[in-house]
Formats: sequence, structure tokens, C-alpha cells
Amino acid sequence: RKEVEQDPGPFNVPEGATVAFNCTYSNSASQSFFWYRQDCRKEPKLLMSVYSSGNEDGRFTAQLNRASQYISLLIRDSKLSDSATYLCVVTQYNQGGKLIFGQGTELSVKP
Amino acid sequence: GAVVSQHPSWVICKSGTSVKIECRSLDFQATTMFWYRQFPKKSLMLMATSNEGSKATYEQGVEKDKFLINHASLTLSTLTVTSAHPEDSSFYICSASGFGLAKNIQYFGAGTRLSVL
Repeated sequence: RKEVEQDPGPFNVPEGATVAFNCTYSNSASQSFFWYRQDCRKEPKLLMSVYSSGNEDGRFTAQLNRASQYISLLIRDSKLSDSATYLCVVTQYNQGGKLIFGQGTELSVKP
Repeated sequence: GAVVSQHPSWVICKSGTSVKIECRSLDFQATTMFWYRQFPKKSLMLMATSNEGSKATYEQGVEKDKFLINHASLTLSTLTVTSAHPEDSSFYICSASGFGLAKNIQYFGAGTRLSVL
């Protein structure tokens, strides 16, 4: 089983739609959780950290459920510029800050 | 935010040659640098972790003699792909973390696209 698993995608949605990404992780010792965004042929960029209390940044809301080992990302009122691959990322205790990436979910927002 | 510069962004080389990729932290001291590779439509796979002044720690399955990593200063790490072959063609990305930065946050270079002919 992969350490971090995401929806396979791709997600094709119209502008203005709400889209939700899911992610599960297998190691209960996972420590920190993030969503990164990666545009085609570019480096990943941190979108937001994810906390158990949930956190929101504009149109983006991230949620963590430690009991279920589940992470989500909700994008409201999607824009054309949101088209990218979204990567679920975790770190684990005593691993020197090593990031473990999910395979990514591709989002395509159409006019 | 912290800036990481990676160079070159694109390199084409002949099979059998060696290629050096540089990763620099421009406005912070990078105590730890990470090297990843990414194949098309796949996620990033960590190759190795390097701490300044120490030998790199390689992930399982990554040949240390093939992928030489040097982290001699707090602002520079290099990855050398030795005797490159077509199967080494990939997207290589470095990242860094360091003093004064948020815990577990890594800042990424723009990546190097290597094509071996």
C-alpha cells in the first residue's frame, strides 16, 4: 500500500464549480500535512498546511482527520488558474523533515 | 519567502557524459537539502537528503555512485549524474530547509529537465 494515496483524477470541472480532493495516509505516526500545487513542468509550490482544526485560505479549505488518517482539500468557485496537479504531502516523526508525496490529482477547470 | 535557485533549468547531453546540477539557497542558510526526481505523470520521488558538511543519505534503490551529492556549504548543494544514460532522463528538483524557516517546510528550486541522448 502506498504511504500517501490520492484520488486518481483527472477532475474536469467548469469555472465556478466546487471541487474536493481526498487523500489518505497509511502511517499513523505522520506528523505534518500539506497540500502542494504543481503546474505542468514546474516545481511544487506550497498551497497550505493542514491542521486538525481545519484551515481556510480564501477559496481553499483544508481538513485533517487523524482518526481516519484522511486529508481533504476543497476549492470553491474554481478559476481557470486553479488548473494544476494537487499533491497531498505528509511528514513523519524522526524522518528529518522528509516529505512523502501522493501521486497527485490533476485538476482542469474549463470556461 | 525563501528562495531556492536551481541551475541549469534544462540540459541535453550525450550518453556517457556527466551532468552537474546546482541548488542554491539565496536568502537563507540551508541546513538540509533534498533531491527529488520526477517522471512524467508521476509524483516526486526523494532520491537523497543532504545535511551541510555530512554525507548524503540515499533512499533505497538510489545508486550513490551514480548520483553524487555534495553539500559543502550552507547555501549550495550539487547533484552530479555520472555517466548519464537515456533512462536517467527525468525532471530533477531540489528543495531546502534551514534556520529561521517554518518546521517541515521545504522550498523548491525550479527543477532541471535532463534529456540524455
